[in-house]
This record gives sequence, structure tokens and C-alpha cells, in this order.
Amino acid sequence: QLQLQESGSGLVKPSQTLSLTCAVSGGSISSGGYSWSWIRQPPGKGLEWIGHIYQSGSAYYNPSLKSRVTISVDRSKNQLSLKLNSVTAADTAVYYCSRFSRGIDAFDIWGQGTLVTVSS
Amino acid sequence: DIQMTQSPSSLSASVGDRVTITCRASQSIASYLNWYQQKPGKAPKLLIYAASSLQSGVPSRFSGSGSGTDFTLTISSLQPEDSATYYCQQSFSTLYTFGPGTKVDIE
Repeated sequence: QLQLQESGSGLVKPSQTLSLTCAVSGGSISSGGYSWSWIRQPPGKGLEWIGHIYQSGSAYYNPSLKSRVTISVDRSKNQLSLKLNSVTAADTAVYYCSRFSRGIDAFDIWGQGTLVTVSS
Repeated sequence: DIQMTQSPSSLSASVGDRVTITCRASQSIASYLNWYQQKPGKAPKLLIYAASSLQSGVPSRFSGSGSGTDFTLTISSLQPEDSATYYCQQSFSTLYTFGPGTKVDIE
């Protein structure tokens, strides 16, 4: 069964770059029919889609974050990455990686999430 | 962006009650509407996709309906383990957006 596990720095200083990885196990990140997303949730708030990347390597981002975000895939490591630069306290959130199944057009598998705090 | 709204923002109901949550999109999204359940400290879990299709493994007391701009999630007989926040999400536009959530408490 496919599982996702986020990891990365839990504390980032303002103006620096947030970097997270999402390890995919129990299946291949290169499997057809899926895209791979990052979604975040500030403490006590709702869910915000950050962006996703297709098997082709094409990435699409939320326009509200587009200038600061990069999502990439390392197929040799079977993992997904997120970089968000110039962070502020507003970027403090739990960050989830998720598989979007194009067959059902829904996020069907989620990682457990990782809390990133932006603070000096 | 397609804006999603939900009502109510929270509700409290008793075990065995029928509970209905409403989700509205700012424009027509056909049936590209999904529902998720999130418990505290956990990732969201897919319940319903394509407005009315039950995800594998989800109890049949959960059901969804609607199309266009108005959708509902119904729990036919509320159980203690259904205490959670429920989110709708549209996948009509690639700029995926979520509703603000509805918190369901058990009385």
C-alpha cells in the first residue's frame, strides 16, 4: 500500500528557504495517472493547495505562492520535494504531500504532515 | 479562483442523528467535488469523490449529492468516531481549492 512520509526542517528563520521532502513507499512516484501535490494548513485554519507536479515533470503552482515555490521529483529516490523561499511567519503551517488520482480527480493518499514554524 | 463556502461552520449533534453539511462553489463545477474528514492532529481522509461516489473503505452512512454549485454531505446516523472537521474541495479547476471546513461535535 502506497505511503507518503514528509521530512525536513521544522524551524526556519524569516527570509530563508523552507525545504521539505516526501518519501514515497509501496509504489512508484513515476506511476501513470497521478500527480503529486503539496498542501498546507496553518495552525487552526483550513487547507491551502500549494502546487503539484505531473509524471512528465511539469509543475503547476497556486498563483498566490508561484513566485516563491518550486516542486520537483527525484525519481531515483522516489521522492517529492518542496522549496518555498523568502518565508515569513504566515508560512507557518503543517505541510502535507498528497497523491492526486486523476481517475477520480481527488487527493486519495496523504502523508501524515510535518509542522514547519517560521521564527527567528 | 473558484471559491468554496460551507455551512454551517460548526454543529453539535447526538449519536444516531442525521447530519447534513452544505458546500457551495462560486461557479459551476459540474460534479468535481470531493469531501474529506480530518481529525485533530491527522491528515485529511478522502470520503466522497465526484460529488457522490464513496471512497473504498468509507462507511456507507456517509453519502454525497449535488452538482453545479450546490453540494451536500450527509451522515445518516452519526457515530462517536465521526467527530471531526469536514472539508469540501473542488477539482474542476487545476487551482484546487477547499472549503473552510465544518466542525462536527458529538453532544
